Amino acid sequence: RKEVEQDPGPFNVPEGATVAFNCTYSNSASQSFFWYRQDCRKEPKLLMSVYSSGNEDGRFTAQLNRASQYISLLIRDSKLSDSATYLCVVKPSGGSYIPTFGRGTSLIVHP
Amino acid sequence: ETGVTQSPTHLIKTRGQQVTLRCSSQSGHNTVSWYQQALGQGPQFIFQYYREEENGRGNFPPRFSGLQFPNYSSELNVNALELDDSALYLCASSLGGNPLSVSTDTQYFGPGTRLTVL
Repeated sequence: RKEVEQDPGPFNVPEGATVAFNCTYSNSASQSFFWYRQDCRKEPKLLMSVYSSGNEDGRFTAQLNRASQYISLLIRDSKLSDSATYLCVVKPSGGSYIPTFGRGTSLIVHP
Repeated sequence: ETGVTQSPTHLIKTRGQQVTLRCSSQSGHNTVSWYQQALGQGPQFIFQYYREEENGRGNFPPRFSGLQFPNYSSELNVNALELDDSALYLCASSLGGNPLSVSTDTQYFGPGTRLTVL
């Protein structure tokens, strides 16, 4: 089993739709979690950190489920500009500082 | 913009050659991480430098080496290039150094160097 797994998609949704992505991780000692957004042929950009209690930023909501070892990203009222690849990142606790990226989930929002 | 810069933006090399990629971190950041991103994959962690010392290394062979300078800029060197080294090389800067601090965990990426090995 890969350390961090994401469904590569693509998820093809109409404008205004709600879409959710999950990201599962295998290391139960993982400490920090993030969602990044990457546009085609560009660098990843931080979308949001994922906190234990869950967090929301406008149309975006991130959740952490430690028991089932996954994080999720919910996008409400999708915009054309949300089309991108969404990467989850998991970092372990302790002295090791090696972050693991998922391969990303591709989202295409169409008119 | 993140304030992280990388050079060059594109590079074409042949097998067996050596390459040096450069990264300037965001002002105030003391940690630089390097990643390799192959087409259709997520970034793979190569190594990280914190205050000029290597602070973690991913599953890459020794021909991938790095440096961090007193101003926290960094270089990635790859010797004996192979075709599979063709990828986007990203550096990311952060405050880092304290793995227990989520607030300093956040990494800001540069635009990357696209390396093609023929």
